Amino acid sequence: GAVVSQHPSRVICKSGTSVKIECRSLDFQATTMFWYRQFPKQSLMLMATSNEGSKATYEQGVEKDKFLINHASLTLSTLTVTSAHPEDSSFYICSAADRGSNNEQFFGPGTRLTVL
Amino acid sequence: DAKTTQPPSMDCAEGRAANLPCNHSTISGNEYVYWYRQIHSQGPQYIIHGLKNNETNEMASLIITEDRKSSTLILPHATLRDTAVYYCIVRVAPEYKLSFGAGTTVTVRA
Repeated sequence: GAVVSQHPSRVICKSGTSVKIECRSLDFQATTMFWYRQFPKQSLMLMATSNEGSKATYEQGVEKDKFLINHASLTLSTLTVTSAHPEDSSFYICSAADRGSNNEQFFGPGTRLTVL
Repeated sequence: DAKTTQPPSMDCAEGRAANLPCNHSTISGNEYVYWYRQIHSQGPQYIIHGLKNNETNEMASLIITEDRKSSTLILPHATLRDTAVYYCIVRVAPEYKLSFGAGTTVTVRA
């Protein structure tokens, strides 16, 4: 199946700093990518939908100025957590929809963010 | 999208078939049933999806009842590596959004 990568896999940062997470579709073009967040022992929560070349659509309750999303190409979307705080510590997962596979979503391996 | 209901957990024996139920009584005619699984600390993995007919691939089989109000995911020969949280999701195609519920935590025991 299609492969989606995320970088970094783990990141530890100090409170107040910004962290950028990359999501890449390695062998297909993804006009749409999604960003999810998962707290321990909870399910995935959709944060935003990212379309190439346009502004992201954020889910209710997700601050767009805090979680900046850029989808500059058909294979890359980035999520920047600005001014991170300990409550932003979570597992961030991206997925990409492959038009060549009937819009199936393929997920990245996730990024574990820890804010001290 | 229609809601789904799954048992919170289930155990199964290694080598045996695992049957995972899912209720989706409010499913619409144009909604597909999708199954994903998430192994601990990894991203979800697509398993299978279907609309009306039963489906089978190299990972699993999906049995959908005639009224489409429920379905069963079958892992034919469970292995220890199948231990994961399994999510049953109803989705309108080509709507992209996936709404994850709590899923079923499946533990395969030796």
